[in-house]
Amino acid sequence: AQKVTQAQTEISVVEKEDVTLDCVYETRDTTYYLFWYKQPPSGELVFLIRRNSFDEQNEISGRYSWNFQKSTSSFNFTITASQVVDSAVYFCALIPLGDNNDMRFGAGTRLTVKP
Amino acid sequence: NAGVTQTPKFQVLKTGQSMTLQCAQDMNHEYMSWYRQDPGMGLRLIHYSVGAGITDQGEVPNGYNVSRSTTEDFPLRLLSAAPSQTSVYFCASSYLQGGSGYTFGSGTRLTVV
Repeated sequence: AQKVTQAQTEISVVEKEDVTLDCVYETRDTTYYLFWYKQPPSGELVFLIRRNSFDEQNEISGRYSWNFQKSTSSFNFTITASQVVDSAVYFCALIPLGDNNDMRFGAGTRLTVKP
Repeated sequence: NAGVTQTPKFQVLKTGQSMTLQCAQDMNHEYMSWYRQDPGMGLRLIHYSVGAGITDQGEVPNGYNVSRSTTEDFPLRLLSAAPSQTSVYFCASSYLQGGSGYTFGSGTRLTVV
């Protein structure tokens, strides 16, 4: 099965707190890509990061960081020192490079950052 | 500006009406797809195309029709709208299917009454 699970439906934090959004995936394929997208209240989908299955290096981009662990099939996203502008729905997604190359999305996590 | 353009942004339909959601991209991407977004379910694939003249079904294709006569355009047709098709629809394109990351349109919010 190709599946992405974001167990946290909603998270609420106070500004400047750190927050981690969890993503667990399932795939039969050994080669795949993982993504995170942000959907702010305006509704568009904003690409944040892509990671392929052969690259387990963690990545940091400003206040954002991603922890990819193949051993636990997880691709977690941490926002450090959260800001009100981080309030959005965040989606984790998977593209397995096997017979079916469709992008599969998790259900999303709604993050609210309060001032 | 390069990107994926969806029209209309909002639409209200009566049950049984038909309509076409338009999607156009100017990045010469071969792969295009349509998703619907429903609360608590993320985005689900409706139909996709790997190039002009080639289309295939995704996870939730029933009630929708697509065609791809040009590389740039990938319209989504609702044949006979039903309230269950009330959703936000996103069109996406990519240079290749899988792996290269998708560019999404701004979405169409459709309400069927």
